[in-house]
Amino acid sequence: GQNIDQPTEMTATEGAIVQINCTYQTSGFNGLFWYQQHAGEAPTFLSYNVLDGLEEKGRFSSFLSRSKGYSYLLLKELQMKDSASYLCAVPLDYKLSFGAGTTVTVRA
Amino acid sequence: ETGVTQSPTHLIKTRGQQVTLRCSSQSGHNTVSWYQQALGQGPQFIFQYYREEENGRGNFPPRFSGLQFPNYSSELNVNALELDDSALYLCASSPDPPPTDTQYFGPGTRLTVL
Repeated sequence: GQNIDQPTEMTATEGAIVQINCTYQTSGFNGLFWYQQHAGEAPTFLSYNVLDGLEEKGRFSSFLSRSKGYSYLLLKELQMKDSASYLCAVPLDYKLSFGAGTTVTVRA
Repeated sequence: ETGVTQSPTHLIKTRGQQVTLRCSSQSGHNTVSWYQQALGQGPQFIFQYYREEENGRGNFPPRFSGLQFPNYSSELNVNALELDDSALYLCASSPDPPPTDTQYFGPGTRLTVL
């Protein structure tokens, strides 16, 4: 099975940078997903990492270290619309196992 | 827009009743997964269907059941509703089963059990 941990809440100022960490323990590894979820809405796909290293997509970057069971999502130049829950998820066999999510609040 | 739709958007039921939630996957997506998301929690896997057959099941009782149809639509049925069944129910589709295929989520159905 999997054990996925991420912080519950983070607060940052508009224009700043925030790093959301995710640690996982899994019996088999097939990559790690990050999803963004605005309140009351569906999760939307942000990134998928299967190899070690940093992948950058505009203001959002995701990092993976398989040896450490660790990933982070980096949000740069924060905007008010980035206020949301960020979920890391690890696939095993046929399903995705999600962390509880990190609620990011962006303040003006 | 993920191309995945769900109905209804909101639903209120009372304990003991039965409910059917519906999902329409993206065309060509042979896999549909259903998740339950309680407030403040991550989605929890209920079950998955691949080409109209159940392909895996999470830790949910048998009163949670499902169907997948050839036209990329699917249903989640819950019998004998309990108060703890109140949650956001999400379906997610992908061309083939995970682990590596990205799942695309519908907007969800908010179920309230009174």
